[in-house]
Amino acid sequence: NAGVTQTPKFQVLKTGQSMTLQCAQDMNHNSMYWYRQDPGMGLRLIYYSASEGTTDKGEVPNGYNVSRLNKREFSLRLESAAPSQTSVYFCASSDPGLASSYNEQFFGPGTRLTVL
Amino acid sequence: AQKITQTQPGMFVQEKEAVTLDCTYDTSDPSYGLFWYKQPSSGEMIFLIYQGSYDQQNATEGRYSLNFQKARKSANLVISASQLGDSAMYFCAMRGTNAGGTSYGKLTFGQGTILTVHP
Repeated sequence: NAGVTQTPKFQVLKTGQSMTLQCAQDMNHNSMYWYRQDPGMGLRLIYYSASEGTTDKGEVPNGYNVSRLNKREFSLRLESAAPSQTSVYFCASSDPGLASSYNEQFFGPGTRLTVL
Repeated sequence: AQKITQTQPGMFVQEKEAVTLDCTYDTSDPSYGLFWYKQPSSGEMIFLIYQGSYDQQNATEGRYSLNFQKARKSANLVISASQLGDSAMYFCAMRGTNAGGTSYGKLTFGQGTILTVHP
């Protein structure tokens, strides 16, 4: 049981290059999320997918696109990377249910991205 | 809109002592959940403890307990008998409600508190 996996672990891009961050979960969760973490700040939601076939914007979606390929996989694409996108990116999954019910959100190990 | 505030950028504690990490939240949702995560220097996010807005009792998980004061909108994490391995960044997070009382599970995070445990 791998939980949530992310590839790659590290990446260095030049400004204007594109790349896709991959995420997969093996817990049969309906919902998946992409967050970014910048120094001195908490995690901020970029995009989420409440269920297979749906995606929606989070707090900081500009410069990103996502694809929910199937129930297991949720990818994040940077079409034209900018230095402001230098960050650590976390993918997560859960079966959220009611807001007040216990449903842990599981995180991947993160991708450290540097844009030069 | 939801907001989580962690006012302590850094905290220090002596090994074997207890420490409280503060978290206040702001939401108009009637139903919500509060989480604490630990992030060691290796970078992974480790779930520690959860409190639901309707839970009558404060949550406890081993050495972790959550001091939940709903009227004051605070959800402070208490770590008892601190260990050197507790040195890490700690995040408070909240999950709110969509229409119908369900949640898509989106979390709003605070800025975090760096805890350093001294021997």
